[in-house]
Amino acid sequence: QSALTQPASVSGSPGQSITISCTGSSSDVGGYNFVSWYQQVPGQAPKLMIYDVTYRPSGVSNRFSGSKSGNTASLTISGLQAEDEADYYCSSYSSGTAFVVFGGGTKLTVL
Amino acid sequence: QVQLVQSGAEVKKPGASVKVSCKASEYTFTDHYIHWVRQAPGQGLEWMGWINPNSGGTKYAVNFEGWVTMTRDTSINTAYVEVTRLRSDDTAVYYCARGGDSGAGISMDIWGQGTTVIVSS
Repeated sequence: QSALTQPASVSGSPGQSITISCTGSSSDVGGYNFVSWYQQVPGQAPKLMIYDVTYRPSGVSNRFSGSKSGNTASLTISGLQAEDEADYYCSSYSSGTAFVVFGGGTKLTVL
Repeated sequence: QVQLVQSGAEVKKPGASVKVSCKASEYTFTDHYIHWVRQAPGQGLEWMGWINPNSGGTKYAVNFEGWVTMTRDTSINTAYVEVTRLRSDDTAVYYCARGGDSGAGISMDIWGQGTTVIVSS
């Protein structure tokens, strides 16, 4: 069981927007602005998409955005494209035992 | 370009140990933490710990304390993770990843290609 809770799957049609949630606690997501999001295409290494809740690394499309409210962080992908189909993981600093914790991952299907 | 290149796949018997390497290039190795993350077949990402290449200091996830060791050799810009007392459920892809510039290095901005470790009798 992962420390952070994500929906197992989400789906959307090309051009639509989707949001993936990541729920933790005041010891991780809610207590610190150190939430990151990763995209993982099957068979490949993860890729950093969002760091420190809202920031995009250089080269990441501005269709990807992050936010946080209380103990829940969110990743929004706008203008959905077929190439966005992948698994998405959130992570956060945790003052608990693990120091860095991941969500269980969300499979995004582009219909 | 900035990259992390990991050692090749390993097949080990239960009870054995494995040591995976991660060679950094095109950046100052001692300026960024190295995280180790593993992913069992069909499962999610699991953080194992990190090493500060400058000081050699480490932080392990509680699940890995006592049987995982992270080290580095700054002369060849390489980090290592050694997993001892292997069990079948240690079968996974092991990734190294560079800690980013911001957020106290918690984010992982560059990833190695992954090393598959299979534990089987």
